[in-house]
Amino acid sequence: DTGVSQDPRHKITKRGQNVTFRCDPISEHNRLYWYRQTLGQGPEFLTYFQNEAQLEKSRLLSDRFSAERPKGSFSTLEIQRTEQGDSAMYLCASSLNLAGGTDTQYFGPGTRLTVL
Amino acid sequence: GESVGLHLPTLSVQEGDNSIINCAYSNSASDYFIWYKQESGKGPQFIIDIRSNMDKRQGQRVTVLLNKTVKHLSLQIAATQPGDSAVYFCAEIYNTNAGKSTFGDGTTLTVKP
Repeated sequence: DTGVSQDPRHKITKRGQNVTFRCDPISEHNRLYWYRQTLGQGPEFLTYFQNEAQLEKSRLLSDRFSAERPKGSFSTLEIQRTEQGDSAMYLCASSLNLAGGTDTQYFGPGTRLTVL
Repeated sequence: GESVGLHLPTLSVQEGDNSIINCAYSNSASDYFIWYKQESGKGPQFIIDIRSNMDKRQGQRVTVLLNKTVKHLSLQIAATQPGDSAVYFCAEIYNTNAGKSTFGDGTTLTVKP
């Protein structure tokens, strides 16, 4: 399977605990995105990387959230001191962005986080 | 089973009918638009895209129409099948160099056999 993969697919944690999610993009893609989706809503942008550089962060990304893409390949999203409001599906997407081209993003299956 | 112009949160059609799903976008300067299909428990799946310099694009059984005057997108699905049942989202990208997608409200399509 050469699509975007995410791990774990499901995570249940207690309030106050830290969690980390991993995303492996499509191998030749230079951009990687994180989105959050709550039930019944469309995905909301959190942050994105071009290679290893984090180029934009949403105001939704509070200081409890941090994302990294250290070698320009896989990425991790960490949430510290989780709150019940963090419960959501966390989606990763990747794209091959070339000058003058489009930026079609391909999504992974998501990690569903439940904070008890 | 068709609805033109108005965004509806749900749409129910008979198998074999054509479906039209509508979306209003927010930024008149957006450069690029994508329709995604999302099945339960899965991530959004790319269906078709269109750039702002076009007003129509066709794929296999799907057509996207862009009306920049009223900031409106539509997705037409021909001969709708039960496997088309899903939530459909439109997304706009302001600038392909900027990257992030802004998603519209989804439409849940149910295809009745």
